[in-house]
Amino acid sequence: DQQVKQNSPSLSVQEGRISILNCDYTNSMFDYFLWYKKYPAEGPTFLISISSIKDKNEDGRFTVFLNKSAKHLSLHIVPSQPGDSAVYFCAASARDTNAGKSTFGDGTTLTVKP
Amino acid sequence: KAGVTQTPRYLIKTRGQQVTLSCSPISGHRSVSWYQQTPGQGLQFLFEYFSETQRNKGNFPGRFSGRQFSNSRSEMNVSTLELGDSALYLCASSYNTGTGNTEAFFGQGTRLTVV
Repeated sequence: DQQVKQNSPSLSVQEGRISILNCDYTNSMFDYFLWYKKYPAEGPTFLISISSIKDKNEDGRFTVFLNKSAKHLSLHIVPSQPGDSAVYFCAASARDTNAGKSTFGDGTTLTVKP
Repeated sequence: KAGVTQTPRYLIKTRGQQVTLSCSPISGHRSVSWYQQTPGQGLQFLFEYFSETQRNKGNFPGRFSGRQFSNSRSEMNVSTLELGDSALYLCASSYNTGTGNTEAFFGQGTRLTVV
C-alpha cells in the first residue's frame, strides 16, 4: 500500500512556463509535507515544505499548495528554468507518531526545455 | 558546515556476502535515517536512529540492520546479500528532536551492486 503517490513519472515543459508537479497521499495522520529535488549522482536536496495548518507556502519561484480534504499537494515552479530539470520527490511525515520517518513518492522527472 | 558524508561511494559485492555502509551526519544533528532507492522507485525508508536508539523502522527483512554511535555517526549492515539488494543507499540527517518536523539533509549515497 503506497501511502504517497506521484502519478506522473515524468513531465516536460518549456523554459519560462509553469511546471506543476502533483502528489497524493492516503494516510490522514500525515501533517508535514516536503519536496526534494534530486540530480543524478547526488543525494536529494530539500526544496520546500508545508505544514498541515497551512494551505500554501511560497519560496521564490517555488510554491507548494496543500488540499487536506483531497489529500493532495502540488509544487508549482514559475518560471521554469533548464536548471530545474531533475527528479522531484514528494515526502510526508506524521509529527506525533513518526517524526523521524518520511514516506516518499516514486518521484517525477521534470525536463525543462530551452 | 560539512554536509552528510557517506562512505564508500561505490561498492561491488557478491551474493551471500555482507556489507557495512557508513554515514556521518551534519554536526549537531542527532537523527539519522537510511533509505533505499532502486531504479524507478522512490526512496524506501529503512530505519531511523536518534541518540543511539532505533526510533523508527521500515518494512525490510532482518538482514538489514543498523546502529548509531555516541557521536551520531551511523552504520548500516546488510547480511546475506541478494541480487535485489543492488540499489543506492541514502543516509539523511536532521535536527529533528521528536517534537516537530524538519527537513532532512541527504548524503550522496552509496551505490551497492550485488553480483
